[in-house]
Amino acid sequence: AQSVTQPDIHITVSEGASLELRCNYSYGATPYLFWYVQSPGQGLQLLLKYFSGDTLVQGIKGFEAEFKRSQSSFNLRKPSVHWSDAAEYFCAVAERSGANNLFFGTGTRLTVIP
Amino acid sequence: NAGVTQTPKFQVLKTGQSMTLQCAQDMNHEYMSWYRQDPGMGLRLIHYSVGAGITDQGEVPNGYNVSRSTTEDFPLRLLSAAPSQTSVYFCASRLQGWQETQYFGPGTRLLVL
Repeated sequence: AQSVTQPDIHITVSEGASLELRCNYSYGATPYLFWYVQSPGQGLQLLLKYFSGDTLVQGIKGFEAEFKRSQSSFNLRKPSVHWSDAAEYFCAVAERSGANNLFFGTGTRLTVIP
Repeated sequence: NAGVTQTPKFQVLKTGQSMTLQCAQDMNHEYMSWYRQDPGMGLRLIHYSVGAGITDQGEVPNGYNVSRSTTEDFPLRLLSAAPSQTSVYFCASRLQGWQETQYFGPGTRLLVL
């Protein structure tokens, strides 16, 4: 069955520390890959997306993600976390076949401590 | 541009009541969709539309109706609310194709007693 897995429910990092949020997918073919961020009480905002080409994707707010086909992963990274990065992060995938569903992982909540 | 707007922000219903969640966008996006967000489950697609007059079911459509009479509006109707429909509902829109950025509204928090 197709699935998107975010194995970490909650991560706590110190301000200034590096961050990596994990995302694994299980699909027959490489899907389109997305990372979204949701601040408390807000809607979702697109951080970055991967369709093809360079496997290291740059996004907004200093985030990047690396697509690794061999590991079926699309992990999100940031070199130095700011207190304002505290939020919930969702990995999502869409099939390349033209289907209109966007499948979300269950999310990782990020807490940033001073 | 106001982007994607949703009303109301919060609603309490009794079991069996009906209501309509409103969604509007001013970006001339063809594609609009409704998701529900439940704790520990991420977002799940309820219904979507690829243009005025065209709607289709998503992953969890039961208990919900939609229509799309204009490009701008995509209301979600609950005909007979159930406690299982307690959730946060998000509307989203984009141009056609996943290469286009999808924009989300601020959400409607619904409590069904």
